[in-house]
Amino acid sequence: QVHLVESGGGVVQPGRSLRLSCAASGFTFNTYAIHWVRQAPGKGLEWVAVISSDGTNKYYGDSVKGRFTISRDNSKNTLFLQMNSLRGEDTAVYYCARGGRSVLLWIDGLDVWGQGTTVTVSS
Amino acid sequence: QSVLTQPPSVSGAPGQRVSISCSGSSSNIGAGYDVHWYQHLPGTAPKLLIYFNNNRPSGVPDRFSGSKSGTSASLVITGLQAEDEADYYCQSYDLSLTSVVFGGGTKLTVL
Repeated sequence: QVHLVESGGGVVQPGRSLRLSCAASGFTFNTYAIHWVRQAPGKGLEWVAVISSDGTNKYYGDSVKGRFTISRDNSKNTLFLQMNSLRGEDTAVYYCARGGRSVLLWIDGLDVWGQGTTVTVSS
Repeated sequence: QSVLTQPPSVSGAPGQRVSISCSGSSSNIGAGYDVHWYQHLPGTAPKLLIYFNNNRPSGVPDRFSGSKSGTSASLVITGLQAEDEADYYCQSYDLSLTSVVFGGGTKLTVL
């Protein structure tokens, strides 16, 4: 069965860092692009970042560009999101989601989602 | 403010038909980028409902259908059921923003 499981969320002070992980199972991880999507309390879904299957291409939403870094370890079937200089507006549930196998990373729908991990940025 | 505009809420009685619109522009849907739709129940993982405008993943009932025309897309649900009560999101790509974009979401209430 195909699964994505996020971890690493928690409460962190503004300006600090946090690293999220997303463990994949049940599919050939190194052939799919993977996205991070978040949902702030009371708000809708917001796209955060995507990484290509081999990790060479990465794209970010404007609100996190320069602060967040997406990466992956295909030998461990794991995706990461390094979040630096955290702000209150980064408070959200963070989901990892499977994209497609196209070189156009933004084309495919996100067909497998994790349950999410909660990040709270507060002093 | 989302670049894809959805109505905040829609409602319908069991058995009825509802439509949820997703209005974009010439830099996203109108530029030819495909639209995907998701169903999201609070506290759960979002679920892909429609991909590439009008395709259903296996397991999604044929009561759900999607379409795209010009700068807009629509999700239609027929034969409404209580279990359809959820938030629905459209998603596409925006060339000007060079970003994946989601609509603001629509809360469906089954009366």
